[in-house]
Amino acid sequence: DQQVKQNSPSLSVQEGRISILNCDYTNSMFDYFLWYKKYPAEGPTFLISISSIKDKNEDGRFTVFLNKSAKHLSLHIVPSQPGDSAVYFCAAGDNDYKLSFGAGTTVTVRA
Amino acid sequence: DTAVSQTPKYLVTQMGNDKSIKCEQNLGHDTMYWYKQDSKKFLKIMFSYNNKELIINETVPNRFSPKSPDKAHLNLHINSLELGDSAVYFCASSPSGGAVFYEQYFGPGTRLTVT
Repeated sequence: DQQVKQNSPSLSVQEGRISILNCDYTNSMFDYFLWYKKYPAEGPTFLISISSIKDKNEDGRFTVFLNKSAKHLSLHIVPSQPGDSAVYFCAAGDNDYKLSFGAGTTVTVRA
Repeated sequence: DTAVSQTPKYLVTQMGNDKSIKCEQNLGHDTMYWYKQDSKKFLKIMFSYNNKELIINETVPNRFSPKSPDKAHLNLHINSLELGDSAVYFCASSPSGGAVFYEQYFGPGTRLTVT
C-alpha cells in the first residue's frame, strides 16, 4: 500500500522552461516532505524539503509547494537545465521518523 | 571524500548463499539506514540504527540481519539468498534531532543479483 504516489513516471521539458513534478500522499500523519534527486548509478541526494506548517519553500531554482487539504505537493524547477535530467523522488516523513518514497519521475531536459 | 560508501557496488551470487554488504559514513551522523529499491523502483526502508541501537525494523524476512559495530558502520547480512532478494540496496545516514533527521545522505547503492 503506497502512501506516496508520483503518477507521472516521466517528464520531458525544454531547456529554460519550467519543470513541474507532482506528488500525492494518503497519510495525514505525514509532517515533513522532501524531494530527492537521483542520477544513474548513484544514490539519491536531498534536494529540498517543506514542513507541514508551511505551504511553500524556495531554494534557488527549486520551489516546493504543499497543499495539505488536497494532500498534494509539487516541485517547480525554473529554469530547467540539462543537469537537471535525473529521477526525482518525492518522500514524506511521519512521527516515527520513517521516510516513505514515491516511485520517482524521470525528468529529461531537452536542449 | 565519499560521505556514505558501500561495498561491493555489484554482487552476483547463487540462491542459497550467504552474503554481506558493508556501509560506512564519515559524516559523524548518529543514525543509519538500509533501504531496498525493488524492480518497481520504490525505495523501502528496511532497518534503522541510532547510535548502534535498532530503532526501525520493518517487515523484513529474518534472513536479513543488520549489524552496527559502531555508529559509523552499518552492515547488512543476508542468509539463504532467494531470487526475490535481487534488488538495489542503499545505505543512508542522517543527523539526529528535528526535521534534519529526514534529510538523509545515501550511498551509491549495491546491486544484488541472485541467480
